[in-house]
Amino acid sequence: KQEVTQIPAALSVPEGENLVLNCSFTDSAIYNLQWFRQDPGKGLTSLLLIQSSQREQTSGRLNASLDKSSGRSTLYIAASQPGDSATYLCAVRGTDKLIFGTGTRLQVFP
Amino acid sequence: DTEVTQTPKHLVMGMTNKKSLKCEQHMGHRAMYWYKQKAKKPPELMFVYSYEKLSINESVPSRFSPECPNSSLLNLHLHALQPEDSALYLCASSPLYTATYEQYFGPGTRLTVT
Repeated sequence: KQEVTQIPAALSVPEGENLVLNCSFTDSAIYNLQWFRQDPGKGLTSLLLIQSSQREQTSGRLNASLDKSSGRSTLYIAASQPGDSATYLCAVRGTDKLIFGTGTRLQVFP
Repeated sequence: DTEVTQTPKHLVMGMTNKKSLKCEQHMGHRAMYWYKQKAKKPPELMFVYSYEKLSINESVPSRFSPECPNSSLLNLHLHALQPEDSALYLCASSPLYTATYEQYFGPGTRLTVT
């Protein structure tokens, strides 16, 4: 059974720092991995999708990498801003559904 | 337009009520999903529709009844719910149910069962 874990569970940093959020999964037989952002009480915003054949994807200040063989993905956020404060979720797609990680709650203070 | 809309935003219902949640997308996607998210937990899949047909039911109690009247619309009919069913209900869609496609989520409906 696929299990997805995110470390750290919570992170509080000053504005301007570069951040790394980690996602690990137990079954490497995945089709893709998706990173989402969720603001409190809101829906999910898709940030990046990495197919299993890809190593990384970039969008603006965000860069996500995927190492399928070791069951790991990282989300790199450059020059963090208070507006980046949210919960970040990774999700892996197996044969039938998305399995979500436990999330990292990020707070960026001015 | 990569928007999935959900109504209502908030819903409070008693355990004897019948209500429905609505989800709509106009991206031409042929796969639509219902997820349930409890506080401080990740979303969990409930149902998947592919080409308006129910493809996956994750052993959801029958008090939740999904319906996909057409390719743009997904409903979740609620009846005789329990307080533990209080959660954020999220709808999502993707071009196809095939694994390679990105899922797009709506803003959710916050449901409180009293």
